Amino acid sequence: KAGVTQTPRYLIKTRGQQVTLSCSPISGHRSVSWYQQTPGQGLQFLFEYFSETQRNKGNFPGRFSGRQFSNSRSEMNVSTLELGDSALYLCASSFAPPAGHSNEKLFFGSGTQLSVL
Amino acid sequence: AQTVTQSQPEMSVQEAETVTLSCTYDTSESDYYLFWYKQPPSRQMILVIRQEAYKQQNATENRFSVNFQKAAKSFSLKISDSQLGDAAMYFCAYRSATRGMNNDMRFGAGTRLTVKP
Repeated sequence: KAGVTQTPRYLIKTRGQQVTLSCSPISGHRSVSWYQQTPGQGLQFLFEYFSETQRNKGNFPGRFSGRQFSNSRSEMNVSTLELGDSALYLCASSFAPPAGHSNEKLFFGSGTQLSVL
Repeated sequence: AQTVTQSQPEMSVQEAETVTLSCTYDTSESDYYLFWYKQPPSRQMILVIRQEAYKQQNATENRFSVNFQKAAKSFSLKISDSQLGDAAMYFCAYRSATRGMNNDMRFGAGTRLTVKP
């Protein structure tokens, strides 16, 4: 079974541009979460999607958005890039949202390393 | 808000020896999960071990075990018989199990573990 696939692995953009990152979950998984990882702020939750609906959102500005398609693949978009957006963006999938006493485990991809110049 | 603190930015251990990584957390909830994740150079986050807060028994997975002290809000990871492949960043994480609450993962800043041959 293929794992969580994130593309591209590396990306270089300049300030003011926009970027779209892609995440393909494990086959059969319908929940996708996104995290931003930086040396200064660590790992921070961005948003979570389940069955094409955003269930939860972290404390990020509106420049960060995402969506999920009917095949569970997810994309996140960052508009008007800033230097501080340079980070590793990690995607994680699970069969269902890990909520309550769910035994759902998150499976992470290897991330997209975004550099904003 | 729930916070997770890892006070050891770096740790090192001799191969075959035992090492303990520390983690404390702050929450007003009584129902939650705690996790240790490993992030090797490949960047993919891998679940090492999980603990349900309502279980008093400490979780164990082969060479990995935890010391869960609920009253002290402490959750340390012990790695026995350390191997070179254990070298990685280790993240402690918290997830609320309370229905209706945000169930996103809260991560600590991480501990970089070096294993010396």
